[in-house]
Amino acid sequence: TQLLEQSPQFLSIQEGENLTVYCNSSSVFSSLQWYRQEPGEGPVLLVTVVTGGEVKKLKRLTFQFGDARKDSSLHITAAQPGDTGLYLCAGVATGTASKLTFGTGTRLQVTL
Amino acid sequence: DTGVSQDPRHKITKRGQNVTFRCDPISEHNRLYWYRQTLGQGPEFLTYFQNEAQLEKSRLLSDRFSAERPKGSFSTLEIQRTEQGDSAMYLCASSNHAWTRGTQYFGPGTRLTVL
Repeated sequence: TQLLEQSPQFLSIQEGENLTVYCNSSSVFSSLQWYRQEPGEGPVLLVTVVTGGEVKKLKRLTFQFGDARKDSSLHITAAQPGDTGLYLCAGVATGTASKLTFGTGTRLQVTL
Repeated sequence: DTGVSQDPRHKITKRGQNVTFRCDPISEHNRLYWYRQTLGQGPEFLTYFQNEAQLEKSRLLSDRFSAERPKGSFSTLEIQRTEQGDSAMYLCASSNHAWTRGTQYFGPGTRLTVL
């Protein structure tokens, strides 16, 4: 079973702080996606990374895919209360169908 | 592009009843997926279709669960003889394997509560 482990599980920070969320696995992924989910809603796509070593930026969010395509990170600069939510990484393991394997999730709370 | 839609958004039922959920994918997306998410967990894969063909089913999908995508567009997920353990958020996602690099777009989900 391919597992994606996220850390930390919970993060409570103040507005303006920086943070990094990690997503690690022993399996290789052909692509990896990051989602943000609000309570009672479906996950909303933030980014897809497909190339080892790839870095993508989305405003204050920076996503990196590990060289070996086994891990990824999400860095948020100057967090805002609107960043509060559940962050999920999800990957498509190589050699499998395109089903997503999700990480355990990181619940972020940003306070004023 | 109106996004993935799901209906209903919430369903409360009594144990033993049958329920059916509907998912309308993004138009021109040939793949459609069903996932289940319980409180505090990430979504877990249930099954997926490419066009009208159901290509994979998870071991999580017991015999009480059945999914269809008769014309390769919308899909339904039926749960027969519901149990309290079926209470969860049921999520639908779609993708076009040819040009979204496997990226899946999710609907808002159907929250099922079995009493």
